[in-house]
Order: sequence, then structure tokens, then C-alpha cells
Amino acid sequence: GQQVMQIPQYQHVQEGEDFTTYCNSSTTLSNIQWYKQRPGGHPVFLIQLVKSGEVKKQKRLTFQFGEAKKNSSLHITATQTTDVGTYFCAGSKASNTGKLIFGQGTTLQVKP
Amino acid sequence: IAGITQAPTSQILAAGRRMTLRCTQDMRHNAMYWYRQDLGLGLRLIHYSNTAGTTGKGEVPDGYSVSRANTDDFPLTLASAVPSQTSVYFCASSGLAGAGELFFGEGSRLTVL
Repeated sequence: GQQVMQIPQYQHVQEGEDFTTYCNSSTTLSNIQWYKQRPGGHPVFLIQLVKSGEVKKQKRLTFQFGEAKKNSSLHITATQTTDVGTYFCAGSKASNTGKLIFGQGTTLQVKP
Repeated sequence: IAGITQAPTSQILAAGRRMTLRCTQDMRHNAMYWYRQDLGLGLRLIHYSNTAGTTGKGEVPDGYSVSRANTDDFPLTLASAVPSQTSVYFCASSGLAGAGELFFGEGSRLTVL
């Protein structure tokens, strides 16, 4: 079945350092979404990528969708303590409407 | 405030008991989802519904059932709870099935003893 793998599982960085999490799918995706979950909270939508090779930026966050639409990445420049949380990617196959599958998540810790 | 409401927030349940987790949305979204979250495993899709009257199986459907009698409600039932169903359960909705932003509820923490 459809699988979405995310690495690394955990990342500890010093405040000001950069951070990247990677997402890989076993199948071609129609779109990929990214979510952030603060400790004790629920996932909150960050962005959706649809086009092959698409790059989107939100302030210090840069999101990429691979050319083959099987992988994606989230890069945070100059991390801040407010970036702490777990980042999830979630993908949907074109033929599996409704089956949005999440990766295992990357938990980011930022040391001040 | 518009959004998704889940109930109960937390529940301790004896193994073998029947339990229904409630989920209601007031955004008139077509699609609704149930995920369970376990440490190290992320969010796993249990069941989903593209529109009222239809449901589909996700990654881990065994031991769970859902219904979608109307647009707003999407209850999740555990017919006979087992300890492995101890988890945090999140309900979510989106305007378009398989695409578009998912809005999540606050979650229901279920412990099966």
C-alpha cells in the first residue's frame, strides 16, 4: 500500500541553526501537505504543494516538491524556539481521494 | 467558534467495552477523517469519508467502524476495545477529499485497560 516515510525522526539544533526534514513516498503523489504539531496540541496545516518541482516559502520556511512528485522537504532557516514541535508531511495519491497518508513526523527541539 | 468538536477529551475504558468517539464539524466540509497518533508512528488513517453517505478504510481500520449519516457528524466506534487501541484519536475535515487543508479537532485520549 501507499507509504510515506519521513526522516529524521528527531532533530536537536541550537537556536539559529538550520533544520531540514525529508519526506519520501513509495508512489507518485497528486499533492503533498505539511503540518506542524506543537507539544500537547493538534496538527495545524502549513502548506500544500501540487506541482512537480514546486518551491514555496513562508518567511523562514522553504517547502519543495520533487520533480517526480515522490519526495518533499521542509527547510527552516535560522531556527527559533518557537519552531519547536513535530512536523508532518502528508500525501495523497491521485487515485486515492480521501486517503491522505501521513509520514511518521520529525520532532524538532531547539536549544536557546 | 467554527471548527471541529471531539468528545470525550479523555476516557479510560475496560477491555471488551464498546466505545464511540464523537466528531462534529460546522464548516460544511465534504470530507472527514479519523486518525490515531502513537509515539514514533505518527498519524495513521483509520477511516475516512469523502462525502456524506460514503466511507472508506484507511491504513489501520481493523477493530473500528464509522458512519456518515450527514455532513456534520462522523462518529468512530470501537465495538470491543482492546489495550492496543490505547491512543490519541484525531478527527479532521477538509473541503475537498484528498486535497486541501485538513482541520483537526483537539483529540480524544483513550486508554484501554
